[in-house]
Amino acid sequence: EVQLLESGGGLVQPGGSLRLSCEASGFTFSNYPMTWVRQAPGKGLEWVSTISGSGGVTYYGDSVRGRFTVSRDNSRPTLYLQMSSLTAEDTAVYFCAKVETTVTTPLHNWGQGTLVTVSS
Amino acid sequence: SYVLTQPPSVSVAPGQTAKITCGGNDIGSKSVHWYQQRPGQVPVLVMSYDSDRPSGIPDRFSGSNSGNTATLTISRVEAGDESHYYCHVWDGSTDHHVIFGGGTKLTVL
Repeated sequence: EVQLLESGGGLVQPGGSLRLSCEASGFTFSNYPMTWVRQAPGKGLEWVSTISGSGGVTYYGDSVRGRFTVSRDNSRPTLYLQMSSLTAEDTAVYFCAKVETTVTTPLHNWGQGTLVTVSS
Repeated sequence: SYVLTQPPSVSVAPGQTAKITCGGNDIGSKSVHWYQQRPGQVPVLVMSYDSDRPSGIPDRFSGSNSGNTATLTISRVEAGDESHYYCHVWDGSTDHHVIFGGGTKLTVL
């Protein structure tokens, strides 16, 4: 059974940094690209970032490009999202998700999410 | 970036059919996926590649995609179908690749 467990969320001041983690189990982690999606309170889903199975290729949404960095450690197996220069607009629940097969395919499995609150 | 447009809300009586649309320029040339998100829960994939139902999704759920509109159809709507529904495509033409629609709240009257 695929399981994804996010952690690392919390309260951070504007301009601060935070690193999220997503521990995976139940599948061969290195074979699959992984994606971060966020959801601001009461709002819809917003794509944040996607990383290839090897970690060699990364993609970012317009609102986070240049501020967030996605990475993975296939030996752990864990997905990361390093967030910096945070603003109130980054306040959201952050989900990690496993794609079906390739980066263009649907998001088959989702973690429970971790809440990031950016506030002074 | 590519834009997907969904109606904010759709209302239907139990037992009736709900149609949730997702509009986008030439969306018929893309593969559309749909997620259901019940209040306080994680999104669940309910339709992939326009009209493929993942394992465990009732056959009351169906999908279509043509021209500028993709549609998720829920037949014989039940109270448990009341959720937000989001469409999703991959757009390789710009740097912002993964596009979600704004979501539609399905209310079962």
